[in-house]
Amino acid sequence: DTAVSQTPKYLVTQMGNDKSIKCEQNLGHDTMYWYKQDSKKFLKIMFSYNNKELIINETVPNRFSPKSPDKAHLNLHINSLELGDSAVYFCASSQEGRNTIYFGEGSWLTVV
Amino acid sequence: AQSVAQPEDQVNVAEGNPLTVKCTYSVSGNPYLFWYVQYPNRGLQFLLKYITGDNLVKGSYGFEAEFNKSQTSFHLKKPSALVSDSALYFCAVRIPQGYSTLTFGKGTMLLVSP
Repeated sequence: DTAVSQTPKYLVTQMGNDKSIKCEQNLGHDTMYWYKQDSKKFLKIMFSYNNKELIINETVPNRFSPKSPDKAHLNLHINSLELGDSAVYFCASSQEGRNTIYFGEGSWLTVV
Repeated sequence: AQSVAQPEDQVNVAEGNPLTVKCTYSVSGNPYLFWYVQYPNRGLQFLLKYITGDNLVKGSYGFEAEFNKSQTSFHLKKPSALVSDSALYFCAVRIPQGYSTLTFGKGTMLLVSP
């Protein structure tokens, strides 16, 4: 009964390809996030959605496009992958008005 | 803008000894403070949080943290370390207004030796 689940866990792909990472939460939360963890383990917010609406969009290249078909899902599509996109991408969720953000297990993306 | 500092890249402690992982923050107002733990090749697990009230908060796996407003610190502690506590620990801050997100420190690797 994983609360925040994301697939795939590991993804190796070539430069220039397009790939997607899917995320689902079964916590009934109304807000979902994508965070990126770089090679130095630093975590940074990329996007945040509340009830399917984009509310936070940090300075992320346009090649990254999140999509939220409903408030339980937030997918991340990446076009024209570059070597620098190699990282761990974490999906997370929370209920606004409550404070804790819960994270998925991460998706390890390697671009070769 | 808010920021979180974890001054130690690594903390080494022997099993059975007390441990402290340091965190200080810089943010206006009264932030919410969090600790998360990341085991190798795993996601971030929530450990504990401070919102308001008692400065000493208790969390999962026997961890606790002490909020000190004057020193703007939120150090993570455990009275007796276990080898299984070895992991990467992140301190994070969240502003309690609007649709804020977590701002993380750079992480501290805790190594507990047998």
